[in-house]
Amino acid sequence: AQKVTQAQTEISVVEKEDVTLDCVYETRDTTYYLFWYKQPPSGELVFLIRRNSFDEQNEISGRYSWNFQKSTSSFNFTITASQVVDSAVYFCAWDSPRGATNKLIFGTGTLLAVQP
Amino acid sequence: GAGVSQSPRYKVAKRGQDVALRCDPISGHVSLFWYQQALGQGPEFLTYFQNEAQLDKSGLPSDRFFAERPEGSVSTLKIQRTQQEDSAVYLCASSLEVYSYQETQYFGPGTRLLVL
Repeated sequence: AQKVTQAQTEISVVEKEDVTLDCVYETRDTTYYLFWYKQPPSGELVFLIRRNSFDEQNEISGRYSWNFQKSTSSFNFTITASQVVDSAVYFCAWDSPRGATNKLIFGTGTLLAVQP
Repeated sequence: GAGVSQSPRYKVAKRGQDVALRCDPISGHVSLFWYQQALGQGPEFLTYFQNEAQLDKSGLPSDRFFAERPEGSVSTLKIQRTQQEDSAVYLCASSLEVYSYQETQYFGPGTRLLVL
């Protein structure tokens, strides 16, 4: 069965520190998609990135970067020079075109607290 | 532009009451999902609509849960005879296309339900 594991429950850093959020997934599918979502205190899940299983290129968007490694089934997320506004719960999620419904399977989330 | 909206944002119900939660997806979005998010957990899939057709309700926890989307836009999640274990945040998401693994799911702010 598919599973997404975010082993870090909570991380606390001081502003301007770099921080990496880990995500490990389990699947037997060869085609799948991985996502990161941010959930600020307001509750709305904000989409950050989607990657497909055939594209292992790392991606950088401003202070955010993602490292996808199929060999270790990991899709880690790094925030460089963290800011207080980055404080939120971050979820990694998985999806696959196999099956009738393309529902996201989420990890349990990592609470990131950035202290000023 | 208008995102996914949900109402009410907060709902307190006495055990045994019926509740109805509303979701207004982004205009024109074909796919609509409901997720349940327990405290400290990631969202879990409840049900999926493609236009007005409910194609997957495998995640609904019991027959007390019922969802509809009669005109293919607004959706309502109804919970009958609420129990304390129903307390959670209920998230609605929509995406533009049918095969939503190719598309981003956009989430609403959620309805926080507390059953006393």
